[in-house]
Amino acid sequence: KAGVTQTPRYLIKTRGQQVTLSCSPISGHRSVSWYQQTPGQGLQFLFEYFSETQRNKGNFPGRFSGRQFSNSRSEMNVSTLELGDSALYLCASSLAGGVTDTQYFGPGTRLTVL
Amino acid sequence: EDQVTQSPEALRLQEGESSSLNCSYTVSGLRGLFWYRQDPGKGPEFLFTLYSAGEEKEKERLKATLTKKESFLHITAPKPEDSATYLCAVETGANNLFFGTGTRLTVIP
Repeated sequence: KAGVTQTPRYLIKTRGQQVTLSCSPISGHRSVSWYQQTPGQGLQFLFEYFSETQRNKGNFPGRFSGRQFSNSRSEMNVSTLELGDSALYLCASSLAGGVTDTQYFGPGTRLTVL
Repeated sequence: EDQVTQSPEALRLQEGESSSLNCSYTVSGLRGLFWYRQDPGKGPEFLFTLYSAGEEKEKERLKATLTKKESFLHITAPKPEDSATYLCAVETGANNLFFGTGTRLTVIP
């Protein structure tokens, strides 16, 4: 069974640009969550999508947005990039989300903002 | 304020030297506490979910326990392949998920 895949794996952008990251969940999983991981802040929850609807959202500015398609694939967009957005962006999928559901993480996209 | 704190930040053990990692939390309503293992360059890998104080779960050399204020991940007779960063996360009653910054474990042969 294929795991969670994320593309691209590495990305370099400059301040002010925008970026779109992609996540393909495990087949049959309908919940996709996004996280930002930095050395100083650790893992921080961005948002969760389930059946194409944002079900939960962390404390990030509106520059961070996402969406989910009918096949459960998800994209995350960051507009007007700032240096502080440099991080590892992780996507995790689960069958239906929620505390009783195990999340499976992808390898992440390493974003560097110059 | 909801908070998850892990200690120590880093831990070096000799192979076979048992120890414990700590995850303390102050949150408004605990729905579940999770332990993950993360290897360099990879996403976190799920280990355990604990739901209520007194609960314990085991997997190979790892055992996770939960009290009302903290969780411990006990590592018995660790091997070099147990070297990784161990992350703790708490889901609150408001459906928010908070992660600790992790404990970086190194097991020396």
